[in-house]
Amino acid sequence: GENVEQHPSTLSVQEGDSAVIKCTYSDSASNYFPWYKQELGKRPQLIIDIRSNVGEKKDQRIAVTLNKTAKHFSLHITETQPEDSAVYFCAASLPPNFGNEKLTFGTGTRLTIIP
Amino acid sequence: KAGVTQTPRYLIKTRGQQVTLSCSPISGHRSVSWYQQTPGQGLQFLFEYFSETQRNKGNFPGRFSGRQFSNSRSEMNVSTLELGDSALYLCASSFLLVEDNEQFFGPGTRLTVL
Repeated sequence: GENVEQHPSTLSVQEGDSAVIKCTYSDSASNYFPWYKQELGKRPQLIIDIRSNVGEKKDQRIAVTLNKTAKHFSLHITETQPEDSAVYFCAASLPPNFGNEKLTFGTGTRLTIIP
Repeated sequence: KAGVTQTPRYLIKTRGQQVTLSCSPISGHRSVSWYQQTPGQGLQFLFEYFSETQRNKGNFPGRFSGRQFSNSRSEMNVSTLELGDSALYLCASSFLLVEDNEQFFGPGTRLTVL
């Protein structure tokens, strides 16, 4: 089955600097890669996602890149702000028509923004 | 439109008891997935239902079961509770279309087993 590895497990960044979180996946058939942000005591919130037919996607200060050949994808947060502090999870999923489209999650990255 | 809802939000049970958790998906979503979140194991997939049929099952013992109703609402049941079942149980719903399979999570049910 799919295996997703996520690094680093913790990351501290000065406010205003950029943060990068990296994930690798094992199943080359995976085609959907969402990123979730989970604040303490709250549900995971989908913040951005990318599909395998796209190499990069950006939404304001957040961007995700995908390298299908190397089977890794990364989350980039620029101009970090205190409210970006949270745990971030990457995930990978097979296409729905595979019948096995469950999300396989990485182990999470605790991001702390230092004011 | 309303998001994914889960009830109850908190539960305290003792070992050996059984528990039923409920999830109502976003209107129009027909797929419901369940995940267990613990500090040690992270987010682990339990099972997924689509049109009242279980499509996928994770690596959990048979004490964990679920079902989905015709209105897409889903329940999961855990029998003979163990201390290790203490966790946040999250459900997520999706349209489950090839180009629209984003999963949106409910607030979770925090289960504590004493």
